[in-house]
Amino acid sequence: GIQVEQSPPDLILQEGANSTLRCNFSDSVNNLQWFHQNPWGQLINLFYIPSGTKQNGRLSATTVATERYSLLYISSSQTTDSGVYFCAAPNTGTASKLTFGTGTRLQVTL
Amino acid sequence: DAGVIQSPRHEVTEMGQEVTLRCKPISGHNSLFWYRQTMMRGLELLIYFNNNVPIDDSGMPEDRFSAKMPNASFSTLKIQPSEPRDSAVYFCASSQGGEQFFGPGTRLTVL
Repeated sequence: GIQVEQSPPDLILQEGANSTLRCNFSDSVNNLQWFHQNPWGQLINLFYIPSGTKQNGRLSATTVATERYSLLYISSSQTTDSGVYFCAAPNTGTASKLTFGTGTRLQVTL
Repeated sequence: DAGVIQSPRHEVTEMGQEVTLRCKPISGHNSLFWYRQTMMRGLELLIYFNNNVPIDDSGMPEDRFSAKMPNASFSTLKIQPSEPRDSAVYFCASSQGGEQFFGPGTRLTVL
């Protein structure tokens, strides 16, 4: 099946700083999702982005499917951005069976 | 829409007991997924359904686990008998052919 790797594994930011999280995947994909798992354990959808760039407020994401990676940008970070960020891609040959990366744990401090 | 609904939110049980987790997908979604999250293994897919039919159960750990989807608005994941190593957060998700949306999860503790 597809392999999904995320970097960095851990990240500490001061409030107001910007950051870039990376997701590499081992095979071509027809969709990719970014999630934020907040400190209460909820998985919140951030982006559904098979290719191209999308923006939502302070967050944006870019997927370059031909080069098998996706980037999540967080600008002007806030303490509420803390948590774990996951990317997930479907296994080869299926549009449904998502494989999750191991996540980037982000802590935003005052 | 209320989103994906799961119950119970927390379950504490003793080894050997039967545990049933419940999920109501988003109305109109035709795919439903059960995931398990642990510190050791991360998020892993257990089973998924399309149009109430199980498509892939290769992630189900063993015969103690079973899942059903009797209709488009309800699914159960049953563990019988439960073991301490089943302790985890179990998520249900649904989709309409693309983006998946997750429920709040059920935190299961087996003593």
